[in-house]
Amino acid sequence: DAGITQSPRYKITETGRQVTLMCHQTWSHSYMFWYRQDLGHGLRLIYYSAAADITDKGEVPDGYVVSRSKTENFPLTLESATRSQTSVYFCASRGTHLAGELFFGEGSRLTVL
Amino acid sequence: KNEVEQSPQNLTAQEGEFITINCSYSVGISALHWLQQHPGGGIVSLFMLSSGKKKHGRLIATINIQEKHSSLHITASHPRDSAVYICAVSEGGGADGLTFGKGTHLIIQP
Repeated sequence: DAGITQSPRYKITETGRQVTLMCHQTWSHSYMFWYRQDLGHGLRLIYYSAAADITDKGEVPDGYVVSRSKTENFPLTLESATRSQTSVYFCASRGTHLAGELFFGEGSRLTVL
Repeated sequence: KNEVEQSPQNLTAQEGEFITINCSYSVGISALHWLQQHPGGGIVSLFMLSSGKKKHGRLIATINIQEKHSSLHITASHPRDSAVYICAVSEGGGADGLTFGKGTHLIIQP
C-alpha cells in the first residue's frame, strides 16, 4: 500500500534494551523525519534525513541513532532505552520542495519500564 | 529558532458553533501548516499555506504574513471535529523539519 508506515505501533521494553522503530515510505520522498511527542512539549524533532546516506541531528538527538541506507526506509534506534524515552514517536516524509506538505506515519507508542 | 504560540490551549464548544484557533510565530516563514490529531491517532495535514486563505469543506485557514499570524476556522462544528489542532511553521532555509506549536485541544459537545 502507498503511504508511510511505522512499526511496531506499540512496544514495551525495559531500561537498557536496544529498540528499533521502523519507518517506510513508498513515495520516494527525499526528506524523512523522526519526531517525539510528549505532553507539555508538543512535537520535537529527533533526527532528519535529506536523502539516502545523509542524516542530521534535530532538537533532541541524544540517545538515538538513525540510518538511511535506502530512500524508503529511515529506522530509529534507541541503543540503551531509558524511561525518559517513553513517548509517542512519529515518522514523517516530505518531497524535495523545501516547504512541501508533510506526511506522517501512524505513530509508535513506546513504553520503557 | 522560531517561537510558535497557539491559542487557546483548550476549547470546548457546542455543536454548530463557529470555532477559531489562532497561531502566531516570531520569525519569517516559507509556509505554515495546520495539522489535526484525533485522540490516540495519527497526524493529518489539513492545510499548507504561505499567503492568503484556503478552504476545504467546513475548514478555513488564513495567514497574515506581515502580522506573523494564522487562524484556523471551523464552521458548523461537529463532534467529529474534536481533536488536537497543531500549527507548525517551516522556515524553508534548510533540510530540517518544522517548528510546532503545542496544539489546541478542541472538544465539540453534541
